[in-house]
Amino acid sequence: GIQVEQSPPDLILQEGANSTLRCNFSDSVNNLQWFHQNPWGQLINLFYIPSGTKQNGRLSATTVATERYSLLYISSSQTTDSGVYFCAGLLRGYNKLIFGAGTRLAVHP
Amino acid sequence: SAVISQKPSRDICQRGTSLTIQCQVDSQVTMMFWYRQQPGQSLTLIATANQGSEATYESGFVIDKFPISRPNLTFSTLTVSNMSPEDSSIYLCSVGMRGSNQPQHFGDGTRLSIL
Repeated sequence: GIQVEQSPPDLILQEGANSTLRCNFSDSVNNLQWFHQNPWGQLINLFYIPSGTKQNGRLSATTVATERYSLLYISSSQTTDSGVYFCAGLLRGYNKLIFGAGTRLAVHP
Repeated sequence: SAVISQKPSRDICQRGTSLTIQCQVDSQVTMMFWYRQQPGQSLTLIATANQGSEATYESGFVIDKFPISRPNLTFSTLTVSNMSPEDSSIYLCSVGMRGSNQPQHFGDGTRLSIL
């Protein structure tokens, strides 16, 4: 089955809007990470969040490990937030990351 | 976190040729990995680069096509051999520490186009 699943696949926002991205993961995966891939292809670490809640400026993330999901919140979105957001988890017993399919975000002025 | 330098950042190559991508880290790391991202797709692990021994390849990837070297704890190379247009992708290296609860970090990637 699908080990890391993201929703929605695509999201269009007006600048200033808030959004929530979701990542469901199977019990074979843990140690969730969130990444932002900018239009130039660079993959930026946003959060390493095996459990709990973290905040960094306008972004925050929450992982509920017992229920196998993680949420990424973007508040007051800006055009520079555009790109693809990936969540990825570490396959238990291995050191390899399993990536979700990503959420493609477009923020319009 | 480690600073990861990946070269080249992009290249356009002719089919049938080979290209070697370099990944340099500013500190010693236990684990180094190579990923491929095909256009519009997510990232897929190619292999784990093992220091001083043969890389560990994932299903669907073979050493003849993607030879990997890792001579020490700070450097690795990935070669894409006998390239075809289907190899047009972004190739990324990542690093991590074995057994630690620390995130993996990625280089800026190499955007490869095959004509």
